Amino acid sequence: SQKIEQNSEALNIQEGKTATLTCNYTNYSPAYLQWYRQDPGRGPVFLLLIRENEKEKRKERLKVTFDTTLKQSLFHITASQPADSATYLCALRYNFNKFYFGSGTKLNVKP
Amino acid sequence: DAGVTQSPTHLIKTRGQHVTLRCSPISGHKSVSWYQQVLGQGPQFIFQYYEKEERGRGNFPDRFSARQFPNYSSELNVNALLLGDSALYLCASSRTGESGELFFGEGSRLTVL
Repeated sequence: SQKIEQNSEALNIQEGKTATLTCNYTNYSPAYLQWYRQDPGRGPVFLLLIRENEKEKRKERLKVTFDTTLKQSLFHITASQPADSATYLCALRYNFNKFYFGSGTKLNVKP
Repeated sequence: DAGVTQSPTHLIKTRGQHVTLRCSPISGHKSVSWYQQVLGQGPQFIFQYYEKEERGRGNFPDRFSARQFPNYSSELNVNALLLGDSALYLCASSRTGESGELFFGEGSRLTVL
């Protein structure tokens, strides 16, 4: 089965810096790769989607890259703010019955 | 517009009991999927329904079942509860079944004693 690896250790950065989160996967590349944000006790919130034939996507301070050769996606938050502190989940979608989430990486942005 | 709503928000059951969780999708969304999230882990896919038909099933035992109603709302049923079923159960809706973003509800927190 598909295995998704996200750094289980929390990422601690200073406000204003760029946060970079990593998502690595095994097996074949998904049709879609998505990133979600989850706050404690809440449901995940969609941030960005990137397709297998796309290299990069941007939305305001967010940027995601997708390298199917390395089987890796990088998620960047520029000019980070304390309000960006949350757990970020990587999700791989293959088809109707194959949708996998990583365990998430917790981001702490210190003022 | 209302988001995805789930009920109940919290519930406590004992081993061997049965539970029914409910989900109302965003208006206009025809796909509903269910996820189990154990503390410290990412959501695990249980079921997806689209236009009232099951379109996908994750690696969960037959004790887990679901259905989607004509108004696109959905129920998740779990029989013969085990301690390991304690988790946050998330419902997500989307316009179609294949691609695009998932809109999650706040979840139903199930504790099995």
